[in-house]
Amino acid sequence: QKEVEQDPGPLSVPEGAIVSLNCTYSNSAFQYFMWYRQYSRKGPELLMYTYSSGNKEDGRFTAQVDKSSKYISLFIRDSQPSDSATYLCAMSPYNNNDMRFGAGTRLTVKP
Amino acid sequence: DTGVSQNPRHKITKRGQNVTFRCDPISEHNRLYWYRQTLGQGPEFLTYFQNEAQLEKSRLLSDRFSAERPKGSFSTLEIQRTEQGDSAMYLCASSLGGAARGTEAFFGQGTRLTVV
Repeated sequence: QKEVEQDPGPLSVPEGAIVSLNCTYSNSAFQYFMWYRQYSRKGPELLMYTYSSGNKEDGRFTAQVDKSSKYISLFIRDSQPSDSATYLCAMSPYNNNDMRFGAGTRLTVKP
Repeated sequence: DTGVSQNPRHKITKRGQNVTFRCDPISEHNRLYWYRQTLGQGPEFLTYFQNEAQLEKSRLLSDRFSAERPKGSFSTLEIQRTEQGDSAMYLCASSLGGAARGTEAFFGQGTRLTVV
């Protein structure tokens, strides 16, 4: 079993839809949770960064962490075609920079 | 541009040759990481530096791989005697870390290596 599990999709939604992306993990030592967006042939771009459990909102993006269930989510409201990319979850233990990534979910938002 | 810079962007090499990649982190960042990403997978951690000290190395980093950060600024990743399985995107990231800080790392555009 991988430490971080993420459904690779692909996921296709119409413009304006609410998108839900999820990851599960097995290592209870993870304290820091990140979501990255990666366009084709580009490096990952940091979207959201959360410490421990709870919610964090930034514009159209909301990140949720449920440590009791070892489950994290990213919600995208009013999705746009420019949101079409691969979304990677990542996490790391306290004071440890060995980030573990999910495989990424490929999202397409259709106009 | 004040982001993480990687060179070259693309490298094609013959099997058995040595290759070296360079990463220039964000200037005030003291932590620098190398990751490898293959098609359809998330990045895999290779190694990380705090200033010039290499603090962690993954088991993925075989003896053919070596990384340096001699003055705590830019870093190089060298692969000796390349194999076809080394073909991947090599990503560098940097962050500003301290004893109580976690990971908020910013990635470069990567170096895409093709071994033929």
